[in-house]
Formats: sequence, structure tokens, C-alpha cells
Amino acid sequence: SQQGEEDPQALSIQEGENATMNCSYKTSINNLQWYRQNSGRGLVHLILIRSNEREKHSGRLRVTLDTSKKSSSLLITASRAADTASYFCATDARDTSGSRLTFGEGTQLTVNP
Amino acid sequence: DAGVIQSPRHEVTEMGQEVTLRCKPISGHDYLFWYRQTMMRGLELLIYFNNNVPIDDSGMPEDRFSAKMPNASFSTLKIQPSEPRDSAVYFCASSTGTITGELFFGEGSRLTVL
Repeated sequence: SQQGEEDPQALSIQEGENATMNCSYKTSINNLQWYRQNSGRGLVHLILIRSNEREKHSGRLRVTLDTSKKSSSLLITASRAADTASYFCATDARDTSGSRLTFGEGTQLTVNP
Repeated sequence: DAGVIQSPRHEVTEMGQEVTLRCKPISGHDYLFWYRQTMMRGLELLIYFNNNVPIDDSGMPEDRFSAKMPNASFSTLKIQPSEPRDSAVYFCASSTGTITGELFFGEGSRLTVL
């Protein structure tokens, strides 16, 4: 079963607008990561936020983490057509098999020029 | 630096045939992961290695799947015999120092079993 669930499943915006994607998870975590996947390519790491952090920035990316609500959000500001991709959150869940990185189902972002 | 290298990028085969996917992790990375991505199930962890030793293969679907890592720079994922439901994109990823840190993914091997 998926630990992280992204919302929305798909998002379509105009270039220049901001895009916000959300991720909810079920169990306690040590860190949460966001990845991007362009069509037909592998996943690329964007940012990692630890459980004791509330907000983190990287360029046009802003990630927040609310451990009380077990949720995170990824904000992409001033979006560009090149930001069109699927975005995944990943959490370090612990189950009977030990710790592992578990990915959500992703949000498909389309930025229209 | 070269990233994670996977081959082949695309494989089309017929049901019952053996399929071997290959991966070269980033030099110096001590963790290697095999993931499978499908529309229905998303990204699933199949198996991971630490220092060439398989640690957790609980995600391997069934005995038709096997993975090896004979040395620090090479790993294979084998499916024998292949079935149409094995059609997916298989990703190899590597990382250093921790199982739950930043992963570096290859470009994937798209497998189609007819």
C-alpha cells in the first residue's frame, strides 16, 4: 500500500502561475522527499525535508511539512513550461520489513505556455 | 559524473522468454534499489542491496523474478519466464550512506511482454 498520497492527481496551469501539490502520509517519518519525473525519464530528486523542519526552499521550490497533520506541500513559483512533469513525494516508512522509501502515486503537472 | 546507467532502455519480448535488465550504479554508492513502475500500482520497491548483499526482497512479485549484484558496479534483474503482466518500466536507483536518503535513478528499462 502507498504511504504517501498526492493531491491533486493532475494540475493544469498557465506559465507564470504558482503550482501547489500536496502529499499526505500515514505513519511517522524521519524525512520526506519530493521527486520530479519527466515523461519517459527517471525520477530526479528535488528536495528533502526532515521531520524537525517546517519549511525548506530551493530556487523556485518551497516545501512545507506539518507532522501533526502528516502532510507536506510542494509549491513551484512562477511556473515554466519546462516544469511540466509528474511530481512524487516519498517518505521513509517503517514496516515489518524495515525502513524503506515509499513513493506516492504522483501529481501530473502541466504548465501551458 | 556518470549517473545510474540502465540497459536496455526498451525491451519487447514474447511471453515465456527470459528477460535480463542491467544496472550500473553511481561509483561509491553502497545501496542499490530496483523499482517497478506501472500505471496501476505506481512505483514499487522490488529489492535492494547494501554493499552487494541483498537485504530486502519482500517486494519481488514471485519466484520468476531474481536479482543479483556480483560486484559494486553491476546488478541484474532477471525475469524467467516473463508474462504480459510483467510489462512495466523498471528503474534502478542508487544511494550512499542510508536506505532512506536521496535516491539517484537511472532512466529506466521499459519492458513489454507480448
